[in-house]
Amino acid sequence: EVQVVESGGGLVQPGGSLTLACEGSQFNTFWLNWIRQAPGKGLEWVANIKEDGSEEYYVDSVKGRFTISRDNAKKSLYLKMNSLTAEDTAVYYCTRGHYDDYRGQGLLVTVSS
Amino acid sequence: DIHMTQSPSSLSASVGDRVTVTCRASQGISNYLAWYQHKAGEVPKLLIYDASGLQSGVPSRFSGSGSGTDFTLTISSLQPEDVATYYCQKYDSAPWTFGQGTKVEIK
Repeated sequence: EVQVVESGGGLVQPGGSLTLACEGSQFNTFWLNWIRQAPGKGLEWVANIKEDGSEEYYVDSVKGRFTISRDNAKKSLYLKMNSLTAEDTAVYYCTRGHYDDYRGQGLLVTVSS
Repeated sequence: DIHMTQSPSSLSASVGDRVTVTCRASQGISNYLAWYQHKAGEVPKLLIYDASGLQSGVPSRFSGSGSGTDFTLTISSLQPEDVATYYCQKYDSAPWTFGQGTKVEIK
């Protein structure tokens, strides 16, 4: 059974920064993803990173503001979020692979003054 | 970027009905498509991968088909516990875009 522990969500002011983290028991051999769901909206793929960290991709709306990274020694995935706006308010999920069940409960990020 | 369009946006059907949700890609994606079920207050659940592969533990009333640009999720006999929003997602290449979702309700 894959275990996932997420951390780092919370309230942040517009223009602020936040880093999300996700640790998984079987992460190292998979692409890893961040997915989000804004209130009342659908699922949105945000970013992903290759198994060895050599490739990373982002949805256009976060390019230049968000950075995805991983530490395979710590079996962990990160999302550094800068210049946050109200439109980034969402529940953020980390997932592994090209398809998989969502194994964490998600992190609520609220951008508000 | 390839755009994913689901239809309908919502539907209401009776228990026992056959329900079909479609997902269309703006360009061909081979069979690199998954379907997820998202119930209110829960995390999304994988139903179908590679367009037609049934995820372990998912009831056999769920099935997927299609390749290229046109895909279908079918629930052969709708059950009350199937009330949820259903999403398709492509994963042939980045961005791994989701469809906008289809909300399924019981009539």
